[in-house]
Amino acid sequence: SAVISQKPSRDICQRGTSLTIQCQVDSQVTMMFWYRQQPGQSLTLIATANQGSEATYESGFVIDKFPISRPNLTFSTLTVSNMSPEDSSIYLCSAATGVYGYTFGSGTRLTVV
Amino acid sequence: GENVEQHPSTLSVQEGDSAVIKCTYSDSASNYFPWYKQELGKRPQLIIDIRSNVGEKKDQRIAVTLNKTAKHFSLHITETQPEDSAVYFCAAIRETSGSRLTFGEGTQLTVNP
Repeated sequence: SAVISQKPSRDICQRGTSLTIQCQVDSQVTMMFWYRQQPGQSLTLIATANQGSEATYESGFVIDKFPISRPNLTFSTLTVSNMSPEDSSIYLCSAATGVYGYTFGSGTRLTVV
Repeated sequence: GENVEQHPSTLSVQEGDSAVIKCTYSDSASNYFPWYKQELGKRPQLIIDIRSNVGEKKDQRIAVTLNKTAKHFSLHITETQPEDSAVYFCAAIRETSGSRLTFGEGTQLTVNP
């Protein structure tokens, strides 16, 4: 299966600033996904990113807050904009890496102070 | 859309005992059901999966069963070991373009030595 490199692994940010998270896949993938995971909870899908088209956002998530780029078939970024303490969470990228296979990045632990 | 319910939310067993985690899904067209293990601070890792054309799949101490009629699937871990302690997530997906995984809420499994 594919390997996904995600960075940064963690960051502490001031409220009102933005953070961009990057994910690099070691093979070409059509679909990439961005999740948020609060401690002790399940994964909540933020958006689906296909190369060459705008990301599709889930209910409760908007492009102005979580802009996503997908410039090619191996790379994607998620920006958390105008951060508040409520944005403190773990952010995970994922990719459909084969027949039904879904692989995850190592996650970004974000703390907003 | 798909809805996945997972039970129990916590499970504590003695080393060597068996553990069973159950999930139900709502979309009868879902046809792929993976199980993920997430250790503290780590990314979710696929441990086993099953497709809708089979009823059971085994991999050493881990097995998954699927009942399409009842729309539920279960993870069975035999001869549990302390290193099996983790959060386990079930998920379901229907194969269509733009499809994405729907996760259960997770089960915290603790194996006591």
